Amino acid sequence: DTAVSQTPKYLVTQMGNDKSIKCEQNLGHDTMYWYKQDSKKFLKIMFSYNNKELIINETVPNRFSPKSPDKAHLNLHINSLELGDSAVYFCASSLGDSPLHFGNGTRLTVT
Amino acid sequence: TQLLEQSPQFLSIQEGENLTVYCNSSSVFSSLQWYRQEPGEGPVLLVTVVTGGEVKKLKRLTFQFGDARKDSSLHITAAQPGDTGLYLCAGEMTTDSWGKLQFGAGTQVVVTP
Repeated sequence: DTAVSQTPKYLVTQMGNDKSIKCEQNLGHDTMYWYKQDSKKFLKIMFSYNNKELIINETVPNRFSPKSPDKAHLNLHINSLELGDSAVYFCASSLGDSPLHFGNGTRLTVT
Repeated sequence: TQLLEQSPQFLSIQEGENLTVYCNSSSVFSSLQWYRQEPGEGPVLLVTVVTGGEVKKLKRLTFQFGDARKDSSLHITAAQPGDTGLYLCAGEMTTDSWGKLQFGAGTQVVVTP
């Protein structure tokens, strides 16, 4: 029944590795987002896709690459992980400019 | 740069007391949203305000949007332990794409029985 689901919930990896986080929504929304929440709980948008088209691309290192195979999925691939990438990553979705529905987050720890 | 400043950062009160959380900015927002986030979960929308001076009530929660659409407040009456959580304000700027929310850093509210 989960509306916006992310996997994995926790991800622990070493510096230099490449990892992916997956997100799926079953709300029929047409827009999906990736937000990053740092250790101080500050949430900042990274990317947004509308109908599989990239519409928001904030100042994020090129090591981060989103991919949207269809309207219901938005994945985030991170290359060459760094210590500073440790954070909680939230996927969200919306229908047009309706309010966002967030997933429960993926806690990424880079050691 | 953080466009929305929330205060206080942390608030601990006893059950039955009232509390107010503030969200301030020098920028104008086309809309402002309040979310509550609990540990291990994503933010959940409480309310959206879009009109300057607007007041919305959600049971014991009262939300206000400033006349100039630069600030907002959340007031909880007779707080209960279930109100414990991280309260986040988020604004959508008129010049930004929809869905691009600017978040405040949050106010952690703890209500003890």
